Amino acid sequence: DTAVSQTPKYLVTQMGNDKSIKCEQNLGHDTMYWYKQDSKKFLKIMFSYNNKELIINETVPNRFSPKSPDKAHLNLHINSLELGDSAVYFCASSQDLTSGTSGRYNEQFFGPGTRLTVL
Amino acid sequence: GEDVEQSLFLSVREGDSSVINCTYTDSSSTYLYWYKQEPGAGLQLLTYIFSNMDMKQDQRLTVLLNKKDKHLSLRIADTQTGDSAIYFCAEIFGSSNTGKLIFGQGTTLQVKP
Repeated sequence: DTAVSQTPKYLVTQMGNDKSIKCEQNLGHDTMYWYKQDSKKFLKIMFSYNNKELIINETVPNRFSPKSPDKAHLNLHINSLELGDSAVYFCASSQDLTSGTSGRYNEQFFGPGTRLTVL
Repeated sequence: GEDVEQSLFLSVREGDSSVINCTYTDSSSTYLYWYKQEPGAGLQLLTYIFSNMDMKQDQRLTVLLNKKDKHLSLRIADTQTGDSAIYFCAEIFGSSNTGKLIFGQGTTLQVKP
């Protein structure tokens, strides 16, 4: 049974379109993340949600809007897609980090990725 | 600042040891990690080390941490073809554990039979 799943696995679309990528985790985690991996394999965090609340929002264009309907889901909506948005997008989840408990090593569990190609 | 650096490529022969190196900048990081990414897949945590440790051994994996030089290394003993993958070094950014991971560029390990 997949721990962190993403749909779709591949997404090919035209510039200017709006698209969404969905992510679900069945690990009971409270924190979820979106990462972008570019063509050189460089991986950078975009957003993080804890219990449906945004806690990390890196310098990402506001065309990108994450939405967390519940703590098991974190979807990524992208408006007005541009060529530079082409990348692999990874969702991840981990245990709650804001409980104040120290000593957790914060293993993040990654989904299989969504390869977005903007033409 | 937020910066983690790794060499991009390493090639070894099956059975040899592999050593992947990493430097990081945030001295307040509590944990440092090694993640593995196989082709077409997401990342998987391979091992981690707490910042007050110098070394951690886990079967074929040895992690060495030099806090003074902010240098982290991963040694894989008896490297197998199945170890071929991209290896990412990562640090938790900041002493407050927000979960923000800063990754290096990844080292592609090629294992030749």
